[in-house]
Amino acid sequence: SQTIHQWPATLVQPVGSPLSLECTVEGTSNPNLYWYRQAAGRGLQLLFYSVGIGQISSEVPQNLSASRPQDRQFILSSKKLLLSDSGFYLCAWSSGQAQYFGPGTRLTVL
Amino acid sequence: AQTVTQSQPEMSVQEAETVTLSCTYDTSENNYYLFWYKQPPSRQMILVIRQEAYKQQNATENRFSVNFQKAAKSFSLKISDSQLGDTAMYFCAPLYGGSQGNLIFGKGTKLSVKP
Repeated sequence: SQTIHQWPATLVQPVGSPLSLECTVEGTSNPNLYWYRQAAGRGLQLLFYSVGIGQISSEVPQNLSASRPQDRQFILSSKKLLLSDSGFYLCAWSSGQAQYFGPGTRLTVL
Repeated sequence: AQTVTQSQPEMSVQEAETVTLSCTYDTSENNYYLFWYKQPPSRQMILVIRQEAYKQQNATENRFSVNFQKAAKSFSLKISDSQLGDTAMYFCAPLYGGSQGNLIFGKGTKLSVKP
C-alpha cells in the first residue's frame, strides 16, 4: 500500500531564515506530487505540483520554491521566510484522479 | 473562473442522525471528477468519496453518499448514522483537466456531531 511522509511535523522559524520541508511517497512509482498551504480556518491553496523528476509547476508567485530530486521525493524551500509564510503545509500524491495527503507540517514564522 | 461554493460554514448534528452538506461549482467542462475530503482536528486531509461526472449513479461509501446533479452543478454529501468521529471540516473539491488537472477546494463546512 502507498504511504506518504512529511517532516518535520512542526517547525518554528524566525523571519528571514531558510526553510526546507520534505515529502516522500512509498509504494508507488511516478506519482504526481503537490504542495498545498492552508492558512488558519481556510481552504487549501495549491503552491506547486510536479509530474516528474525535475518538472515543477508553480501556481502562486511567492518566495517559496519546490524541487523534485527523486521520483518519490518533493521538497519545499525558501531562502528567506516571511511572516506570511506561516501556515499548515500539506503534501499530496496522485496516480490517477484522487489525491492522497500527508500528515502536514505546521510552520510558524516569528 | 472555476469556483466552488460551500454555503454552510458550520453545521451540527446529533449522533446517529443524518446530515447533508451542500456544494455547488461552476465549470464549462463536461468531463471531470468531484471529491469530498474530511479534515479532523488532527488536520490530516482524508478522502471520503469520489464521483465521476460521466456517471449518473451517485457514489456511496458505507455511511457516506452523494447527490450529484450535473445540470445544476450540485454535489452534496450525506452522512447517515452520524458518529462522533465524523466531527471535522469537510471540503468539496472538483478536479478539472483529467489526471493532469488540479483540485479546487471550497472553503469548507465545519461539522460538529453532538452526543
